[in-house]
Formats: sequence, C-alpha cells, structure tokens
Amino acid sequence: NAGVTQTPKFQVLKTGQSMTLQCAQDMNHEYMSWYRQDPGMGLRLIHYSVGAGITDQGEVPNGYNVSRSTTEDFPLRLLSAAPSQTSVYFCATRRTSGSEQFFGPGTRLTVL
Amino acid sequence: KNEVEQSPQNLTAQEGEFITINCSYSVGISALHWLQQHPGGGIVSLFMLSSGKKKHGRLIATINIQEKHSSLHITASHPRDSAVYICAVIPNNDMRFGAGTRLTVKP
Repeated sequence: NAGVTQTPKFQVLKTGQSMTLQCAQDMNHEYMSWYRQDPGMGLRLIHYSVGAGITDQGEVPNGYNVSRSTTEDFPLRLLSAAPSQTSVYFCATRRTSGSEQFFGPGTRLTVL
Repeated sequence: KNEVEQSPQNLTAQEGEFITINCSYSVGISALHWLQQHPGGGIVSLFMLSSGKKKHGRLIATINIQEKHSSLHITASHPRDSAVYICAVIPNNDMRFGAGTRLTVKP
C-alpha cells in the first residue's frame, strides 16, 4: 500500500498561473483534507471532504478549489496563484471523524 | 486567541532527560492527536486520545477532558527524538492544530 501520495513534491509558479496539487490514497478512507503549513502558524485547514461528492471549506479556503469525484483522489486547485500562497501543502486522510490521521509527504510551493 | 495552545514553543534538552510538552484547547472535542514532524518534513501520528493515558515505548500522552489539557511526555530522551511535536484537536469534522513545539535533544 502506498498510503497517501502527493504530487508534485516541489513547484515554482509565477503570479497568476494555475495548477493542481494531486493527492491520492489507497486506504479507502472517507475523510480527506488539505492543509497549508506556514512558519510560526501551524497547520491550517483549507478544504476537506467527508466522502466522494462532498466537500466543505476549512479555515483558509480563499484562492483554492477542490473536488472529490472518487474516494481515492482529492485534488487541490489554485486558479490564479499569488505570493501569499507560498507554503507547504499537506494532504491527509482518516477513516472516520475521530480516527487516526495519515499525512502525505507534502508539496512545497513557491509563488514568485 | 488560538483554539489550541502549546508550550513551550522551543525546548532544548540533554540526552536522557524527561521531557514534557503541554497542550491546552478551548473548544469541545471528540479526540486529541499528538503528531511528530521530523526535519525532513513528514508528519506522523503518535497518539490519538479521547480520555486517560496512552503509552508507546518511551512516549506517554495524557489528557484531562475537564481541564481541556493534554501532555506529551518523553522518558529517557534521545537525539533522534529531535522534531516538532504538534497537538491537534477535532471539534467537528475538521482538525485544529497548535503551532508546535520544537524539541532539540543534545547528546
């Protein structure tokens, strides 16, 4: 089992460009989440999903879109990148609301 | 004020010392997690608690639901324990995180 995979590991964008961060899991977990991690601020929730076809906003959703067409995949889209979106992005999954959470390896994004 | 507060922010210890990291939260929760993030960046789950105490090797986690407080203890600390330790709570479907405690254990 691969667990939780994220691609790419590193990405540099110019302001205004769009891109999609990919997240996939093979554990058949219902809950999937996207977080960003910035120095001194801890992890913050961007969007989450409690199952295929269901998504909801987290603490910092502006500038990001998500979709959940399958249980396995939960892509995060940046429609028009801004320097404020420079961060490390983590995808995470868990089986139920209160169960152990598994994190992907992270994507380091720089927006110039 | 952050819903999850950790202390201390930074901690330096000598190998063999007993370590305590504290976490206080201000929301109702269904569970509390302790996570470890190594310098390489990967995050792993150490404990998930909803009451009482859990032990895994040299690590012990406790939670007091009434006081909204949890502690992570490391006995006989080792340089390989050097990492950022993160407390996280689940109020509803989402997860809220503390800013982390950076632990450095010197040989």
